[in-house]
Amino acid sequence: KNQVEQSPQSLIILEGKNCTLQCNYTVSPFSNLRWYKQDTGRGPVSLTIMTFSENTKSNGRYTATLDADTKQSSLHITASQLSDSASYICVVSRMDSSYKLIFGSGTRLLVRP
Amino acid sequence: KAGVTQTPRYLIKTRGQQVTLSCSPISGHRSVSWYQQTPGQGLQFLFEYFSETQRNKGNFPGRFSGRQFSNSRSEMNVSTLELGDSALYLCASSLSLREETQYFGPGTRLLVL
Repeated sequence: KNQVEQSPQSLIILEGKNCTLQCNYTVSPFSNLRWYKQDTGRGPVSLTIMTFSENTKSNGRYTATLDADTKQSSLHITASQLSDSASYICVVSRMDSSYKLIFGSGTRLLVRP
Repeated sequence: KAGVTQTPRYLIKTRGQQVTLSCSPISGHRSVSWYQQTPGQGLQFLFEYFSETQRNKGNFPGRFSGRQFSNSRSEMNVSTLELGDSALYLCASSLSLREETQYFGPGTRLLVL
């Protein structure tokens, strides 16, 4: 079954600290993996997109990694800011006759001053 | 460049009614995708339109339908509303079909009473 599981479900960290969010997937055949940030009451915003051959991709203080062998991805946030408080959603696209996006349930991050 | 716009932003309907949601993509974008987001199920893919044709479809009943116009604007219709249809409906646009980078609108929050 094609699934995307994220952990932890929620996370609270202090401003300035680093954190890592996890995403495990069983989607096959794999096309790409995306991380989105969604602020409360707003639509998701793309952070990174990685294909099978990419291991790491950065976007400012956000760094995503992908291990296609173990089907795991992580999103590392460096020097967190209050504005990082949001839900982070991992999305895996499946490429076959029916192209589909499979969403994780998200990790809710709260950064406290 | 203006972002993706969705109207209305909020909507209250009763069971059995139907509803039409509208999405205007970023200028020049030809692909529009629709998603349903609920606290229990997270983000789920509804369908994708490109050049006025539905190209991909998620696992939703036939009560959910959509269309795309020649100017790439899209509408989504839900007939015979059920309580479980209460959700945030998100529209995303991209330059072309299965484009990696999607830009989301703010969503329409639908409440079915």
